[in-house]
Amino acid sequence: ETGVTQTPRHLVMGMTNKKSLKCEQHLGHNAMYWYKQSAKKPLELMFVYNFKEQTENNSVPSRFSPECPNSSHLFLHLHTLQPEDSALYLCASSQDRGTLVYEQYFGPGTRLTVT
Amino acid sequence: GQNIDQPTEMTATEGAIVQINCTYQTSGFNGLFWYQQHAGEAPTFLSYNVLDGLEEKGRFSSFLSRSKGYSYLLLKELQMKDSASYLCAVGDSNYQLIWGAGTKLIIKP
Repeated sequence: ETGVTQTPRHLVMGMTNKKSLKCEQHLGHNAMYWYKQSAKKPLELMFVYNFKEQTENNSVPSRFSPECPNSSHLFLHLHTLQPEDSALYLCASSQDRGTLVYEQYFGPGTRLTVT
Repeated sequence: GQNIDQPTEMTATEGAIVQINCTYQTSGFNGLFWYQQHAGEAPTFLSYNVLDGLEEKGRFSSFLSRSKGYSYLLLKELQMKDSASYLCAVGDSNYQLIWGAGTKLIIKP
């Protein structure tokens, strides 16, 4: 396994379902990120975990909840989503040394459709 | 607020040169990144500028002017496989990346 992997690649769920997205990085990085990518919009940072601290974008609804059990794994738990949450969800990792911004490596994404 | 501006779409011819511009207004500056994203795929890192000037990497070069809040990505000898979206991102004072919406580059034979 190389790089950053995400499962599932595609997900269709109803508004009352509960599902989880999984991300795993094999790069030895210490920071992981969840992004939302909607058509023709900038990448929207949802959550960051670095040095085991979580930072979140205050505009992210509570129906999204992250979990980071260790520096290699990241989950995004989804419940009672809305159709406007349909998007590509990207996971990324980087080596955060706290004094510079380093390039992030992305997984292939999960294409989520909420019906 | 923080803002990254880049053109929505550009068209160029195979074998030619194209320049994709990016202007930014951010709280602080900790580097500027360019990423390439093919349709349906993950963004991949292309280049990084933190000091003013030109960084060259093969057919791709990236330029930065911090005083003007401006960068460009220059692609030479365009190939059909260069058809993709190109994302500009700036590290802000919180060491997080602020992203532009991306420029879709269409290469015609």
